[in-house]
Amino acid sequence: DSGVTQTPKHLITATGQRVTLRCSPRSGDLSVYWYQQSLDQGLQFLIQYYNGEERAKGNILERFSAQQFPDLHSELNLSSLELGDSALYFCASSVGDGPNTEAFFGQGTRLTVV
Amino acid sequence: AQSVTQLDSHVSVSEGTPVLLRCNYSSSYSPSLFWYVQHPNKGLQLLLKYTSAATLVKGINGFEAEFKKSETSFHLTKPSAHMSDAAEYFCVVRGVYNDMRFGAGTRLTVKP
Repeated sequence: DSGVTQTPKHLITATGQRVTLRCSPRSGDLSVYWYQQSLDQGLQFLIQYYNGEERAKGNILERFSAQQFPDLHSELNLSSLELGDSALYFCASSVGDGPNTEAFFGQGTRLTVV
Repeated sequence: AQSVTQLDSHVSVSEGTPVLLRCNYSSSYSPSLFWYVQHPNKGLQLLLKYTSAATLVKGINGFEAEFKKSETSFHLTKPSAHMSDAAEYFCVVRGVYNDMRFGAGTRLTVKP
């Protein structure tokens, strides 16, 4: 158990809908990362927050947004869902955001868009 | 820009034989490199990390990796494969904004 908690574990929704994925980082970790894993794209970095502020942005679509709250948990919002958004979404956390800090991953949320 | 290339998409070994998973990196400065493992339907687990302290890095479950600057490589090895090592392995480099950039992954199959 990495200490990173993601909910829900599974989510099935229809195209056009909006969903929210939640992530609770390890105790004491200030940095949160979101990744999307799909068969055709592999593991894609979406976005990173550090202590409530956006730190880095990757291949995140405009239909997607995220935030980190004062208690450090994070939410990833996916809207106007398309079939191609079906994927495993991972959250990771680390103590800081320096180059030497390793990240610890949650078990992921499997999103299926039908 | 920082990136990693995993040279094999699939590696198959027999139980008890050595494992070699190859990773080359590209970085404009001294990189931070990691290996993660993902077992089926599981999250990603850190195996080991390189942060310039020592070129030979030992990780969990008997894995180790050697950083070779001259070859821009960070290959993962294990002397003797176990059935439980069957999984997907990812080489990762920290990007310029410290985002973690994953390779495409290498699927390791271990035959009895």
